[in-house]
Amino acid sequence: EADIYQTPRYLVIGTGKKITLECSQTMGHDKMYWYQQDPGMELHLIHYSYGVNSTEKGDLSSESTVSRIRTEHFPLTLESARPSHTSQYLCASSFGLEDYGYTFGSGTRLTVV
Amino acid sequence: DQQVKQNSPSLSVQEGRISILNCDYTNSMFDYFLWYKKYPAEGPTFLISISSIKDKNEDGRFTVLNKSAKHLSLHIVPSQPGDSAVYFCAASGATDDMRFGAGTRLTVKP
Repeated sequence: EADIYQTPRYLVIGTGKKITLECSQTMGHDKMYWYQQDPGMELHLIHYSYGVNSTEKGDLSSESTVSRIRTEHFPLTLESARPSHTSQYLCASSFGLEDYGYTFGSGTRLTVV
Repeated sequence: DQQVKQNSPSLSVQEGRISILNCDYTNSMFDYFLWYKKYPAEGPTFLISISSIKDKNEDGRFTVLNKSAKHLSLHIVPSQPGDSAVYFCAASGATDDMRFGAGTRLTVKP
């Protein structure tokens, strides 16, 4: 049973479009994260948040933005999609206790044509 | 700069045998290491973790060893077909952003 939800699961969109990937969690976790992953590659951190009104940039953040207005919601926005954005986007959350790791959503597979 | 490395992209073992997945890291500031398991079309799920001050952690069939410098391994004994998945090694430190390896695809043959 998923406690962290990502929508849409799959998205095909044209170049130049603005898109928002949704992520919501029901566990009351303060910390939330966005990762990007291509097949056979490591997960790259895009953005993270320590709590409401807190957002930090990761390694690949320059072409996207996030917001954290509510604890449970952490959407990712691409202002102008490009083919290079084609990837899988994974949202995660945690209490910040290292013993328990992160809880990941099922991901959004984005294709920009 | 890849700080967590999993040099074997794939591993195939027979059911009932031991699976050993390896992970190397370069950043000496990492103090916690985790393993995640990922099935196709799903997000990674947390499997087991170990702190840098421990050399072993066991959870059922899964054991993570941290006995060599900047190297750790995940042992699965006995391996089962349901263990077939991609396994990611991850590391975190004081900065709280977790770094992941590229994953190893494990196939357990019946």
